[in-house]
Amino acid sequence: LAKTTQPISMDSYEGQEVNITCSHNNIATNDYITWYQQFPSQGPRFIIQGYKTKVTNEVASLFIPADRKSSTLSLPRVSLSDTAVYYCLVGDMKAAGNKLTFGGGTRVLVKP
Amino acid sequence: NAGVTQTPKFQVLKTGQSMTLQCAQDMNHNSMYWYRQDPGMGLRLIYYSASEGTTDKGEVPNGYNVSRLNKREFSLRLESAAPSQTSVYFCASSEAWTEIYEQYFGPGTRLTVT
Repeated sequence: LAKTTQPISMDSYEGQEVNITCSHNNIATNDYITWYQQFPSQGPRFIIQGYKTKVTNEVASLFIPADRKSSTLSLPRVSLSDTAVYYCLVGDMKAAGNKLTFGGGTRVLVKP
Repeated sequence: NAGVTQTPKFQVLKTGQSMTLQCAQDMNHNSMYWYRQDPGMGLRLIYYSASEGTTDKGEVPNGYNVSRLNKREFSLRLESAAPSQTSVYFCASSEAWTEIYEQYFGPGTRLTVT
């Protein structure tokens, strides 16, 4: 599983866009990039997944450059309820019984 | 659908006691997982089951055993609890070979070993 590096914490304000960049220099050909969100006292929740270029859903966007050695999760117009820990994971997500490796994540604090 | 359910929600054990954490999913997923999360840390995989009838060790299996009782249920057993096993335990399930691979997590079991 590819090792990932992401900032420990980030502060933002309501209404701003938050961008979290994750480095994964050793990403393999079959690896996908996935982001999870975790609120205090809850299990992680899937946000978005991508392989290359850009992926967008109702919650976030994921930007992946051509070399795939990094990725950026973009949260548009955050609110106080987006305060959480965000995890970047890289792995061959299509394999049965695939294991996820969670690093320390990025603690995002949204201020009023 | 309830998704992934875990029991109990909280548990306090004394050192040396044993207990079983229960997990069930109603999404007909083949794969199930047990993670632990220590304060301020990310999740670490204890054991996983790729499909009914199979189990494999994860990153931190020592001191634990698992049973994949059927497709729905995956239990985690602590035979002789130690203070180092104080943690929050999460169960998850997933299905491979889908358009989007996603693991669904339960609410967690908070275990304290004194």
